[in-house]
Amino acid sequence: GENVEQHPSTLSVQEGDSAVIKCTYSDSASNYFPWYKQELGKGPQLIIDIRSNVGEKKDQRIAVTLNKTAKHFSLHITETQPEDSAVYFCAASWDYGGATNKLIFGTGTLLAVQP
Amino acid sequence: ETGVTQSPTHLIKTRGQQVTLRCSSQSGHNTVSWYQQALGQGPQFIFQYYREEENGRGNFPPRFSGLQFPNYSSELNVNALELDDSALYLCASTEAEFTDTQYFGPGTRLTVL
Repeated sequence: GENVEQHPSTLSVQEGDSAVIKCTYSDSASNYFPWYKQELGKGPQLIIDIRSNVGEKKDQRIAVTLNKTAKHFSLHITETQPEDSAVYFCAASWDYGGATNKLIFGTGTLLAVQP
Repeated sequence: ETGVTQSPTHLIKTRGQQVTLRCSSQSGHNTVSWYQQALGQGPQFIFQYYREEENGRGNFPPRFSGLQFPNYSSELNVNALELDDSALYLCASTEAEFTDTQYFGPGTRLTVL
C-alpha cells in the first residue's frame, strides 16, 4: 500500500552544521514530493517541494534530492540555525483521481539545532 | 502565514458527542483537504472537497463527513466521538487546476474524554 518511511526520527546538530533527513516511498507512481516544517502548536509549513521530472532543487540553505530508481528523496539543510529547530515531514503524492493529489506523510523528524 | 484559518483553536468533547470544525481557505483556492494528525505522527488524509463536492476519501469511517460552501470554506463533522479521535485536525487548501502545493492552516486540537 501507500507508505512513506522517514529517518531519522530525531536529529541533533550543532549550529552551523548540516542536517540531512531521508525518506523512502513505496508507490512508483508518486510524482510530487513536498517537505513541511511544523513548529510546536502550528500547522505544517511548506519549505520546499520537488516533482518527479527533476532530480534536485535548491532554495538558499535548503535543498532536496530525488532518486526515482531507488524511490528515495532527501532534505538537506546547510548552515543550520537555532530557528531551524522543528519537526520536519516529508510527503509523497500521486494522481489518484481527485482534484489534487492527496499527501502521504512520513512519521516526522525532530531536528534540534544546538547553539 | 498561509491565509488558511481554522476554528476553533481547540476544544474538548466527551465520547459519543458530535463536533464540527471549520476551515476558511486561502483566497482563490477551490480545493480543501482535511487531515488528522495524532500526537507524534504525520498527518493522515481524511477527505478532499473540490467545488463543493467530495473528491476523494482516505481510510476513515462514514462518521467523518464534510461540507464545502460556495465561498470554498469547509466544515469537518465527526459523529459518535471516540477516544481515538483525539488529534490535531488540519485543513489544507489549494487551487487545484494550477498547482499541487497545499497550504495548511494552524489546526484544531480536539480532545475526547
